[in-house]
Amino acid sequence: SQQGEEDPQALSIQEGENATMNCSYKTSINNLQWYRQNSGRGLVHLILIRSNEREKHSGRLRVTLDTSKKSSSLLITASRAADTASYFCATDVRDSNYQLIWGAGTKLIIKP
Amino acid sequence: DTGVSQDPRHKITKRGQNVTFRCDPISEHNRLYWYRQTLGQGPEFLTYFQNEAQLEKSRLLSDRFSAERPKGSFSTLEIQRTEQGDSAMYLCASSSPTGIYEQYFGPGTRLTVT
Repeated sequence: SQQGEEDPQALSIQEGENATMNCSYKTSINNLQWYRQNSGRGLVHLILIRSNEREKHSGRLRVTLDTSKKSSSLLITASRAADTASYFCATDVRDSNYQLIWGAGTKLIIKP
Repeated sequence: DTGVSQDPRHKITKRGQNVTFRCDPISEHNRLYWYRQTLGQGPEFLTYFQNEAQLEKSRLLSDRFSAERPKGSFSTLEIQRTEQGDSAMYLCASSSPTGIYEQYFGPGTRLTVT
């Protein structure tokens, strides 16, 4: 079963613009992760934010987490053609063996 | 690059046949996961190993699916009596004892059942 839901399902922007995608989840979590998937490199871990953190940065990525709303956002600044990919959020489940539950992803297209 | 590897990358089989996939995790990683992914969806958890022990299995996994991880190294996923609904990408991931939440994925095995 899918816990996370990404929004929007698809996003197309011009190179250089910022891209924001959102994730909502249903149950209490220890942490939330964002992954990127493209045909060339498969699924790649981008960033992890713990439940007691509200914001985290990594290069051009900024992730926020609002546990009261059970939601997270991923911001990619100054987008590049190479950012074209599907982006997934994944949450662990408390008291599980580190099983991850995934959303359906946001398909991001960067137009040159 | 000693990342997670999977073999084969593609498999086409006829309905009713058995198939087996292999995953070689990153060498120092003790945790190994299998997922299934269909087009337009995120990965769906199938099963999890810590070393050689299979600690968790999805309730959605039918008894036609079995996975092993002998000696806590590589893992195999077998699907018996394949059905067309089994067509999907099968992904393997591993994680280390310290970075337990971050999972490293292999390229996947794409199964097509005809």
